[in-house]
Amino acid sequence: AQKITQTQPGMFVQEKEAVTLDCTYDTSDPSYGLFWYKQPSSGEMIFLIYQGSYDQQNATEGRYSLNFQKARKSANLVISASQLGDSAMYFCAMREKPYSGYALNFGKGTSLLVTP
Amino acid sequence: GAVVSQHPSWVICKSGTSVKIECRSLDFQATTMFWYRQFPKQSLMLMATSNEGSKATYEQGVEKDKFLINHASLTLSTLTVTSAHPEDSSFYICSALETSGTYEQYFGPGTRLTVT
Repeated sequence: AQKITQTQPGMFVQEKEAVTLDCTYDTSDPSYGLFWYKQPSSGEMIFLIYQGSYDQQNATEGRYSLNFQKARKSANLVISASQLGDSAMYFCAMREKPYSGYALNFGKGTSLLVTP
Repeated sequence: GAVVSQHPSWVICKSGTSVKIECRSLDFQATTMFWYRQFPKQSLMLMATSNEGSKATYEQGVEKDKFLINHASLTLSTLTVTSAHPEDSSFYICSALETSGTYEQYFGPGTRLTVT
């Protein structure tokens, strides 16, 4: 069964606008971590933001924020003030520790295109 | 943040030959490294978990005799694709687990393998 679901294969957003990328997850482990990565066309995985299952507040990192709704098992990424350089693939990932040995389980990704 | 390197960044080999990909943690020691494979426009799929000084743990469906993993030191893991076939052409990404604090994974830049 898919543990991480990203339902938006592709998204468009205009420069300077905000965009939300959806991510839902499935786990019975009370202790888990949620990650978002950006992958530009070069292929490198760029870490954006992390949310722990016990964190009381939503994570924020600069223009990135994570809308964590634990009861709904969702962890949406919000990018504010989009820039052209934000065009890339975005992956949501989950780590269920310790059983998985800290490996990450990735969603299928969302391709974001920022237009002028 | 910590740095992980991969070498080579891209490689072309002929069908039937073997190719070795190196993954190094440059400024921290990593007892655990992960190898992922990514086909075009798809997500990262975990192939195996590499543990220093012991045998790698392979994910279901990954042929351990074809994808040989060696984690001989705390800073180096290697993936050897043996008897490569065109269907092995893919983007291979390693990551190293930092275990002294946050248990964060740091990704290498990836290796693009093309088998002709």
